[in-house]
Amino acid sequence: AQTVTQSQPEMSVQEAETVTLSCTYDTSESNYYLFWYKQPPSRQMILVIRQEAYKQQNATENRFSVNFQKAAKSFSLKISDSQLGDTAMYFCAFMKPPRQLIQGAQKLVFGQGTRLTINP
Amino acid sequence: GAGVSQSPRYKVAKRGQDVALRCDPISGHVSLFWYQQALGQGPEFLTYFQNEAQLDKSGLPSDRFFAERPEGSVSTLKIQRTQQEDSAVYLCASSPDRDTYEQYFGPGTRLTVT
Repeated sequence: AQTVTQSQPEMSVQEAETVTLSCTYDTSESNYYLFWYKQPPSRQMILVIRQEAYKQQNATENRFSVNFQKAAKSFSLKISDSQLGDTAMYFCAFMKPPRQLIQGAQKLVFGQGTRLTINP
Repeated sequence: GAGVSQSPRYKVAKRGQDVALRCDPISGHVSLFWYQQALGQGPEFLTYFQNEAQLDKSGLPSDRFFAERPEGSVSTLKIQRTQQEDSAVYLCASSPDRDTYEQYFGPGTRLTVT
């Protein structure tokens, strides 16, 4: 079974600083998908960024980027120029690919989360 | 367009009562997932539908939990004879196609069993 570990329960930085959230995972799969989701106090889970394991290039989305180290099974999220609206719980998640092409998305395995606070 | 909606947003049940939680996925989304999120924890998978077929229910914690999606759109998660350990936020997510694998989440239903 796959497991996802986020070793930082809480982090706090000043506005405009850069912050990195850590995530490690365990799997015997060679291909898979990794995600970072953001959950603000409103509880609505929002996708921040995704990475396919077969792609060597790290994914980026505006101020958000990942450092994907497949051999080390590490998937960290870097937030540049942090903003007050980035305050939220952040969850790292793993997904196995479907066994058949006709299948769609598969279940997500989540880490325990990191509570990130951006201070003014 | 409209996102995933869930109702009710909050539910308080006395121990032993039955509850039904509703999920309206994004129109046209084939896949639908239910997750349970305990306080301060990450969501945990409960069950998964592709259209009306329940393809995976391995995460349902007991036979008191039952989910259905009879017409391949709206889904209901039912919990019979609720227990205090069922208190959690229940999240529903839907996914549009097989290419992006992105799951779109609803706001969740917070269930409190007293």
